[in-house]
Formats: sequence, C-alpha cells, structure tokens
Amino acid sequence: DAGITQSPRYKITETGRQVTLMCHQTWSHSYMFWYRQDLGHGLRLIYYSAAADITDKGEVPDGYVVSRSKTENFPLTLESATRSQTSVYFCASSDGYEQYFGPGTRLTVT
Amino acid sequence: GQQLNQSPQSMFIQEGEDVSMNCTSSSIFNTWLWYKQDPGEGPVLLIALYKAGELTSNGRLTAQFGITRKDSFLNISASIPSDVGIYFCAGQRISGGSNYKLTFGKGTLLTVNP
Repeated sequence: DAGITQSPRYKITETGRQVTLMCHQTWSHSYMFWYRQDLGHGLRLIYYSAAADITDKGEVPDGYVVSRSKTENFPLTLESATRSQTSVYFCASSDGYEQYFGPGTRLTVT
Repeated sequence: GQQLNQSPQSMFIQEGEDVSMNCTSSSIFNTWLWYKQDPGEGPVLLIALYKAGELTSNGRLTAQFGITRKDSFLNISASIPSDVGIYFCAGQRISGGSNYKLTFGKGTLLTVNP
C-alpha cells in the first residue's frame, strides 16, 4: 500500500526491555522523522534522517536509537524502556517541505 | 526548543459557525503547515504555505501566511461535526543543516456541537 505505515500500532512492554518500533514509507522520501506526543508537550522530535545512513538527534533523543539502512525504513529502538517513554510515537516522511505522518504507535511501559 | 504560540487552545462552537485560529512566533519562517489530528490517528496535512502573504484554500479551509513571516492563520467556514479534532500549525525555518525540521504549535482542540 502506498503511504507511510507504522507497526505495531499498540505495544505494552516492561521496564528494561528493548523495543523496536517500525516505520515504512513508499514515497521514496529522503527525509524521515520520529516524534513522540505527550499531553502538555505536543509533538517533540526524537531523531531524524536526511537519507539512508544519515541520522541526527532531535529535541529528546536520550534512550532512543535509530538506524536507516534503506531509504524506505526508519526503525526506532528503545534500548532499555522506562516508564517515562510511555507515549504515542509518530513517524513522518518528507520530500523536503511537507511532512506526512504515519498512524502512530501507542507504547505503554509498565 | 523554539515554540510556536497557537491560539486558542480550545474552541467549542455550534455547527455552521466559522472558526479562526492562529499561530505566532518571534522568528521568521519560510514555510507554514496546518495539520488536523483525529483521536487515535496521526496528523493529516491540510494546507501548506510557502510565500509571505499567500492565501490558500482547501474546501472550507482557508489559511494565510502572514506578511511578516512570523504568523499564520487558519479559518474554517460553516463548521460541521466531522471538523472535530486537534489542529496544529507547524513552521519551517531554513537554518544551516536543519532545513527540514518543523516547529509545532501545541494545538487547538475544536469541538463542534451539532
């Protein structure tokens, strides 16, 4: 299917576990982004990527790792999940100006 | 980080009424984007603005890029119940290596009473 997809849509994990959130886009956009959305904070940028093998930190990168070996995929890994990482995570892709968002992953860390 | 001031924070209106919301910043932006987010979904791009003074429509939605480049406005005419949701503004400022990052407003929660 065309567009941007995220998986899983819902995830419950325990503190200390490693979790990977997947993001896939079919537009061949160069830019991809990971955000988290929390009440009171709005959308905050975690990491972004300008192209395959090029990534950079955003506003709140601590505790997260990203990779981008292929243009279409941009996975986000929580190396050791903490309760403060309970949030809704959105992936987005861009052709340079307009960003398009995925449906989100709701992550709960218990 | 830099923030956009989006107002109002929430609106409760009757079906059929017009709605206005705006975003302001102390910095200049080169691009303004407006998104709508429904519960449990990701933000959906409504309108993109690229030039100061630009006025762009998308159905009942009209957005303007402020002439000072520091603000943008979104109007919704003749609101309907499906307009309910959170509306976000986002600005993009060309700056060194961070050309394509967006700065987001906190959102306007719109409730439409049928």
